[in-house]
Amino acid sequence: GDSVTQMEGPVTLSEEAFLTINCTYTATGYPSLFWYVQYPGEGLQLLLKATKADDKGSNKGFEATYRKETTSFHLEKGSVQVSDSAVYFCALRTSGGSNYKLTFGKGTLLTVNP
Amino acid sequence: DAEITQSPRHKITETGRQVTLACHQTWNHNNMFWYRQDLGHGLRLIHYSYGVQDTNKGEVSDGYSVSRSNTEDLPLTLESAASSQTSVYFCASSVGLAGNNEQFFGPGTRLTVL
Repeated sequence: GDSVTQMEGPVTLSEEAFLTINCTYTATGYPSLFWYVQYPGEGLQLLLKATKADDKGSNKGFEATYRKETTSFHLEKGSVQVSDSAVYFCALRTSGGSNYKLTFGKGTLLTVNP
Repeated sequence: DAEITQSPRHKITETGRQVTLACHQTWNHNNMFWYRQDLGHGLRLIHYSYGVQDTNKGEVSDGYSVSRSNTEDLPLTLESAASSQTSVYFCASSVGLAGNNEQFFGPGTRLTVL
């Protein structure tokens, strides 16, 4: 079945450091890929997405590129801020028809210190 | 503004009691989902619905039930609460179009079963 594997956390960085959170997936067909972010005490919200190979999703300075050859969708940001402290989830939606379910990774806690 | 709400936000109950968690969305979305979030497991799908009178089991459905009598609501019922069901529960909805898979999440309900 479908699965998503994220790097184990927690990740602790200083402000303005470079961020990479690794995400790899296993899926049949050509899934759509997502990064969701969960700020403390809140629900998840969509950060960015990519729906086909070589697409790059971007938002709020974060980027991720859909790499079919390595089945990866790593999240990157060039300079993190304290306000980026949150839990980040990688997710996929299997392609095809009327399937709208998402499969999530376990999440990676990011803490950014001033 | 359209939104998705959950109630209660916090609930403490005893083993064996029946508990119902409410989820209400005003986007008129066809799809609604219930997840539980646990440390080390990320988000796991409990039940989902693609429309009125439609309900489906997710990966961790044992001990839970849902019903969909209208578009706006998908209540989650724990038939006989167990300590293993202590968790944070999130409801989500999505519009259900092939090219738009974003799920919108509620703020969550923290349930403690004593």
